[in-house]
Amino acid sequence: KNEVEQSPQNLTAQEGEFITINCSYSVGISALHWLQQHPGGGIVSLFMLSSGKKKHGRLIATINIQEKHSSLHITASHPRDSAVYICAVRDQETSGSRLTFGEGTQLTVNP
Amino acid sequence: DGGITQSPKYLFRKEGQNVTLSCEQNLNHDAMYWYRQDPGQGLRLIYYSQIVNDFQKGDIAEGYSVSREKKESFPLTVTSAQKNPTAFYLCASSIRGPGRAFFGQGTRLTVV
Repeated sequence: KNEVEQSPQNLTAQEGEFITINCSYSVGISALHWLQQHPGGGIVSLFMLSSGKKKHGRLIATINIQEKHSSLHITASHPRDSAVYICAVRDQETSGSRLTFGEGTQLTVNP
Repeated sequence: DGGITQSPKYLFRKEGQNVTLSCEQNLNHDAMYWYRQDPGQGLRLIYYSQIVNDFQKGDIAEGYSVSREKKESFPLTVTSAQKNPTAFYLCASSIRGPGRAFFGQGTRLTVV
């Protein structure tokens, strides 16, 4: 079983829809990251969370430490949101800043 | 502008040749990382370094080597011992301990 699991693996939505991507993890963590990877391969860090909720524009990330679960929400989705969204966690027990990654969620937003 | 730069973006090599991928950052980060990404798979850690002149093997270090002679630079060599080197390689950096990770744009290596 992977330490970090994302769902769904693939998601297709119509423009304007509310989108949720889920991430579950099995280890104690010090932080959870949501990343966005565009078709060219470059990765952008969207959020780093250790508790609660963060919002940036149309993106909202939440984390429940007790349930070992995080969600990334996109409101009023747009075709430019199409990308792979990756959840990554920093293990509490691991020295340094190593991240363990989920396999990613491929999001396609159609006009 | 501060950032992390990988070069080249695309690289082609013949089987059996060693090849070195460049990663440079001007963010004054102590920690740097190399990841490999294969289609349909998550990022896997090859090597990481938390301080100059020190580095540690990640989960898939076999067939790779690194050096960290300068804080800004963490080159990755894909050796001929790497059985399946064709992949997308991502470099990242961060402060030591909890902190946001910054990623390069990646190098797509194709071995023919």
